[in-house]
Parts: sequence; structure tokens; C-alpha cells
Amino acid sequence: DTAVSQTPKYLVTQMGNDKSIKCEQNLGHDTMYWYKQDSKKFLKIMFSYNNKELIINETVPNRFSPKSPDKAHLNLHINSLELGDSAVYFCASKPRYRLAGAETQYFGPGTRLLVL
Amino acid sequence: LAKTTQPISMDSYEGQEVNITCSHNNIATNDYITWYQQFPSQGPRFIIQGYKTKVTNEVASLFIPADRKSSTLSLPRVSLSDTAVYYCLVGDMNSGNTPLVFGKGTRLSVIA
Repeated sequence: DTAVSQTPKYLVTQMGNDKSIKCEQNLGHDTMYWYKQDSKKFLKIMFSYNNKELIINETVPNRFSPKSPDKAHLNLHINSLELGDSAVYFCASKPRYRLAGAETQYFGPGTRLLVL
Repeated sequence: LAKTTQPISMDSYEGQEVNITCSHNNIATNDYITWYQQFPSQGPRFIIQGYKTKVTNEVASLFIPADRKSSTLSLPRVSLSDTAVYYCLVGDMNSGNTPLVFGKGTRLSVIA
């Protein structure tokens, strides 16, 4: 009954390869995100999707392309992997919003990517 | 989103109360204050959220003074399992698609 799940948990690959990370949420949320946490543990937003539509695209190289087949899934595809892409990638989701007060985001367990 | 400032790290012995203060001088009227906890090798987890005065749940208390320019997360009687990074975030969470902006957090180490 995992709320936000990611696969794979670990990903080790060579420079130049193309890889994908999958994210699924079973919370019925409308909005999903991808965050990157680097070696200094700084957590940064990459993308935000709302009902399969790209809402936010922070300064991220074009090699990163999110894809949302439906509102429960937000996958991250990375082309031509570079050493600097090594990090932990977190998927998150939240309800669209509610007028009664602020809501919270639910994070997945993370995918640890190591590019050699 | 309003920028936040919090201590880089704190140490505490088991059983003590831990208070982590966060400064957010530029907080806006519609902004809420939210704290997240991140254990090693896990994603951040929501702890508590508030707008003003005091909020308490089964995990922590959040104290917010009248001017809302700071907030204090209080963890009662910490245990070793409370060792984690604690993030203070401020933002208008009602704006729909506003992403969370994480600072560097406070690394709490609980010592036996």
C-alpha cells in the first residue's frame, strides 16, 4: 500500500547511456514532482506536472525529459548521462490544492543514480 | 517563496527536548510554515504545519510568534531514531502548483 513508489531504487550506469526512472502514486493526487538531491544534500525541484500537464520546468538540461502517461505516473527519462547527474532523485505528489489550508507533499523513497 | 535560515546542525542527548528555530523575515500574508524530516536514504516526510500561534501533533509542536518572522520546531524527549535532517519551508501552499523550496536543513544528531 505504498503511497509513492519509485523504480529502480538503485541505478548504476556508464556515461553516455540513456536511462529512465519510474514513479507511481496511488493517492489520487493531481500534482507530481521530480526533485534532485545532490551530494551536498541540497534538494531542488526539477519538474512539476498537474494532471499530465507540465507546469514547472526549472533550469534542467534538455537531456532530462519527464513523461506522464496518466496522472498517477510521472517518469523521468535521462539521455546521454553525465557524471554530474549522479544524485538521488525523488518523486513527490500532492493534491491540487484545498482552500481550507495548505497541504503537504508525499515523497517517494528515492532513486540513487550513479554515473561512472 | 520566502527564504528561510536555520542552524546547519544540532546535537542532543536522548530524552531531551530539542528546539530548532527557523528565521523567515520575508514571510508573506498567505504563507504557511511547514517542517519536513528526512532520514538517511529516505525521502522527506511531513512533520507539522502552521500559520500562527501554536500547533501540536503526535510528533512535534510548532511555535510561531505574532510577527511570524520565525518559527520553532519542538521535539519532545528525542530518541536516537529522531536523528535526521529537519527542513523548514515557507510558502503559499494554496497557490496550487507551488513546489516546495528546500533549504539546507538542520542536521540533528541524537546521542545516547
